[in-house]
Amino acid sequence: AQSVTQLDSQVPVFEEAPVELRCNYSSSVSVYLFWYVQYPNQGLQLLLKYLSGSTLVESINGFEAEFNKSQTSFHLRKPSVHISDTAEYFCAVILSNYGGSQGNLIFGKGTKLSVKP
Amino acid sequence: KAGVTQTPRYLIKTRGQQVTLSCSPISGHRSVSWYQQTPGQGLQFLFEYFSETQRNKGNFPGRFSGRQFSNSRSEMNVSTLELGDSALYLCASSDPRGGVGSPLHFGNGTRLTVT
Repeated sequence: AQSVTQLDSQVPVFEEAPVELRCNYSSSVSVYLFWYVQYPNQGLQLLLKYLSGSTLVESINGFEAEFNKSQTSFHLRKPSVHISDTAEYFCAVILSNYGGSQGNLIFGKGTKLSVKP
Repeated sequence: KAGVTQTPRYLIKTRGQQVTLSCSPISGHRSVSWYQQTPGQGLQFLFEYFSETQRNKGNFPGRFSGRQFSNSRSEMNVSTLELGDSALYLCASSDPRGGVGSPLHFGNGTRLTVT
């Protein structure tokens, strides 16, 4: 069965510092990978995704993630965080042979990023 | 476009009762999925509906059920509520025409508390 592990449940960091949120997955078949973000009292929003092609993917607000097949990882990074990045971040996978939409995503348990001034 | 709307936002029920939660997807989105979010278990997939048919189901007991209407609106029902059913229930819609690359658009959830 597929699973997603987010190694850190909470990550405190100072503003303008770099951050890395770690994500590892296990699957016997190839997968598609996603990062979603949940701001307080809101639903989740897609941050970025890896489907195929370049293993480095970027979001519009400065986050990037790199797919590493040999290490089965998809870590999320940002070189300089802002207060507004405070949120919970979820890594998720779906089997590449699932077909259709992302309706059956398997999520990690989330990492709470807290950016302090 | 209006986002995904879930009603009610908050719900308090007692053990043994049943509850129905509602979800209106983004206009044009025919796929609706439901997730349960708890501090201990995180986000767990309940089921996915497409064109009024359940396409996939997570590992939840039969007390959890759902349906989708012809206008793509969806409801989920939980019967014989247990304390452990207390959670944030999230609905998400997507446009399957975009395949797996189509993002899920989540509502703000229904917070269910079972006493």
